[in-house]
Amino acid sequence: NAGVTQTPKFQVLKTGQSMTLQCAQDMNHNSMYWYRQDPGMGLRLIYYSASEGTTDKGEVPNGYNVSRLNKREFSLRLESAAPSQTSVYFCATESGQGGQPQHFGDGTRLSIL
Amino acid sequence: GESVGLHLPTLSVQEGDNSIINCAYSNSASDYFIWYKQESGKGPQFIIDIRSNMDKRQGQRVTVLLNKTVKHLSLQIAATQPGDSAVYFCAEIPLTGNQFYFGTGTSLTVIP
Repeated sequence: NAGVTQTPKFQVLKTGQSMTLQCAQDMNHNSMYWYRQDPGMGLRLIYYSASEGTTDKGEVPNGYNVSRLNKREFSLRLESAAPSQTSVYFCATESGQGGQPQHFGDGTRLSIL
Repeated sequence: GESVGLHLPTLSVQEGDNSIINCAYSNSASDYFIWYKQESGKGPQFIIDIRSNMDKRQGQRVTVLLNKTVKHLSLQIAATQPGDSAVYFCAEIPLTGNQFYFGTGTSLTVIP
């Protein structure tokens, strides 16, 4: 049981390049989330999908787009990467029933030069 | 916006001692609280949770205490082991909406 799987684990991009981060879950959860984690800061929500077919902006959505491809998969796209987007990106899932913890993948470490 | 913070950014304890990690939250309407453990290079891992209708909840070697009067949450780890070395952070979940708000974390180092 893999839980939440993120690919790739590491990536280096040049400024202006585009990239899609992938997230897949086998927990049959309705809700999925994308966060970024920067030193000295808590996890900050980029986008989330409360259920298949819906997406909503979080705290820091600028420069990102998302796609909830199906119930299992939620991707995060950087159309034109900027150095300020260097971060560790985490995908999380939650049942969607309320009062349940989020479950996280092991992250994608992204560096933009 | 929400504010979830920790009193101490780092904590060092001797192996076998008990550890206490604290968290302050700002939204008195928050209904659900979670402690996560994050090891280097890994994603956050669920440890224990507590709902606002409870003051205390115990797990295996861990206890979470909730003081709603002063909006304070603590995580107690009994007989701390080297494998407990990690960053610990709390999350608060308000009654309305489905967003989680995370603290910045406390780095726990266990000294053998």
